[in-house]
This record gives sequence, C-alpha cells and structure tokens, in this order.
Amino acid sequence: GQNIDQPTEMTATEGAIVQINCTYQTSGFNGLFWYQQHAGEAPTFLSYNVLDGLEEKGRFSSFLSRSKGYSYLLLKELQMKDSASYLCAVRDSNYQLIWGAGTKLIIKP
Amino acid sequence: TAGITQAPTSQILAAGRSMTLRCTQDMRHNAMYWYRQDLGLGLRLIHYSNTAGTTGKGEVPDGYSVSRANTDDFPLTLASAVPSQTSVYFCASGERGGGHNEQFFGPGTRLTVL
Repeated sequence: GQNIDQPTEMTATEGAIVQINCTYQTSGFNGLFWYQQHAGEAPTFLSYNVLDGLEEKGRFSSFLSRSKGYSYLLLKELQMKDSASYLCAVRDSNYQLIWGAGTKLIIKP
Repeated sequence: TAGITQAPTSQILAAGRSMTLRCTQDMRHNAMYWYRQDLGLGLRLIHYSNTAGTTGKGEVPDGYSVSRANTDDFPLTLASAVPSQTSVYFCASGERGGGHNEQFFGPGTRLTVL
C-alpha cells in the first residue's frame, strides 16, 4: 500500500528553527511536494523536490533522500504567521498526489 | 485573475438529497481534481480529469460522480447524500504530468449531511 507519515503536531518558539519530517512508501516516485494550509483555508504550494538534496527558498528549505524515502521541511526565523498545517505529498507512478495527514505547527511567542 | 473558484462555500444537506458542487478555473489547466479532507486524514482523491472529455476514479469515488464538458468546469455530484460524506471538499487544477507542476486549490466547500 501507499503511505505517507508525518508527525501530527509540533510546537516551536517564535524566532527559532523547526524541522518537519515526512517518510513515504509509494508505488513509484515522481516528485515530492510540501504545502502550507492555514486553518479554514486551502492548501498553498511551498516547495518541490525530485532530486536528492536541499532546495532553499527564503526562510523555507526542503530536503529529499529518495533512497531513504524521506523528506523534511525546515522553517527558519519562525513567525507567528507560520502557525499552520504542513502537508507532505508524493506524486506516484500514475502522476497522482498521495497526501500525508499533515503536521499542525503551533508557534508560541 | 480569479484562479479557481468553488460554490457554495458551505452547505447543510439532508441525507438522501442530491447536490452538485461547482468548480471553475481560469488558468487553462489540463488537469482537475476533487479531494475531500477529513480530520486526521490526508487529502483523499475522489475523481480526477486529465483533460476535457475524460474523467477517472480516485481513491474514494463511491457515491460521487463528475463530468468535464470543457476545460474550465469540473462539477462534483452527490446523487444521494449520506452522513459519511460530511467533509470539506477541495477542487484543484494543474498541468498534467511530471516536473514542477503543482496543484492549485480552490477555497473549499464545507458540506454537512444530516
């Protein structure tokens, strides 16, 4: 079966750094996506990885290891507005996205 | 640019009634998708369409039907609603295939079936 695992909830402090992990087992791999979803809103795209390594985009970075079936999203200089759920999704061999349940990130002052 | 719109924003529906959730995109994307999102679960694909005139079943298609008469519109119909269809429904669109083709999401429809 196909499975995406990520922690249910994490808490971090404003100004700090947090790493959200995602492990996956899917039928085929054609890229991994991270989305941000604020409560009551639609998911919005954050990052895309298809090759091993780190992709950096401002305060957000995403890492991929295909051999380990593992990715993480790194958020630096946390701000209160970063309080949201972060969704990991893998595009499988049928080019469909398989989604994790999301990690709710709580930022404390 | 509107992007992708959904209607209605929310709805309360009696069990056994039918309903159509509307979705329209103005980005000329080939592919469109319907997901449901339930607490504690990831987004689950209901139906998809890779191009106008074609549709396919996703992970949880039972009780739902779709049509894709043109590029812009992708309505989702519940023929006879049941309480287990209470959920938040998201429509999404994107370019088909691989590469850096992310999906863009509509604002969602919150449906309660009583």
